[in-house]
Amino acid sequence: QKEVEQDPGPLSVPEGAIVSLNCTYSNSAFQYFMWYRQYSRKGPELLMYTYSSGNKEDGRFTAQVDKSSKYISLFIRDSQPSDSATYLCAMKLSEGGKLIFGQGTELSVKP
Amino acid sequence: GAGVSQSPSNKVTEKGKDVELRCDPISGHTALYWYRQSLGQGLEFLIYFQGNSAPDKSGLPSDRFSAERTGGSVSTLTIQRTQQEDSAVYLCASSSDRDEQYFGPGTRLTVT
Repeated sequence: QKEVEQDPGPLSVPEGAIVSLNCTYSNSAFQYFMWYRQYSRKGPELLMYTYSSGNKEDGRFTAQVDKSSKYISLFIRDSQPSDSATYLCAMKLSEGGKLIFGQGTELSVKP
Repeated sequence: GAGVSQSPSNKVTEKGKDVELRCDPISGHTALYWYRQSLGQGLEFLIYFQGNSAPDKSGLPSDRFSAERTGGSVSTLTIQRTQQEDSAVYLCASSSDRDEQYFGPGTRLTVT
């Protein structure tokens, strides 16, 4: 079993839809949680960074962390075709150190 | 300012050859990371440099892989005697005290 599980999709939604992306993890020691967006043949781009349970909002994006359930989510409101990409969750044990990634979810937003 | 840069962007090499991949981190970032991304394995950690501390090499898959960081800035990842299973995208990231890791565009390595 992988430390971080993420449904690879693909996920296809119409423009304007609310998108929910999720990851579960097995190691309760993870303290820091991130979401990255990766366009085809590009490097991952950091979207959200959180370190506590609860919600963090940035524009159309909301990151949610539930440490008791070992579950994190990314919500995208009013999705746009430009949001079409692969979304990777990542987490780590401490401030410094390696990231453990989920497999990534491929999202397609249709006009 | 400038982001993380990597070179070359693409590298095709024959099985058994050695390759060197270069990473230029964001200026002032003290930490530098190498990851590998492949279809079957996703994105995996390889090695981590933090300041003058000994690097965390726990993710290197074999002794054919090595990396160094000169002057606390540029890093080179070396793969000796390349194998077909080494074909992947090699990603470099750097971070400052704020600890958010920023990735470069990657080097796509193909071993024929």
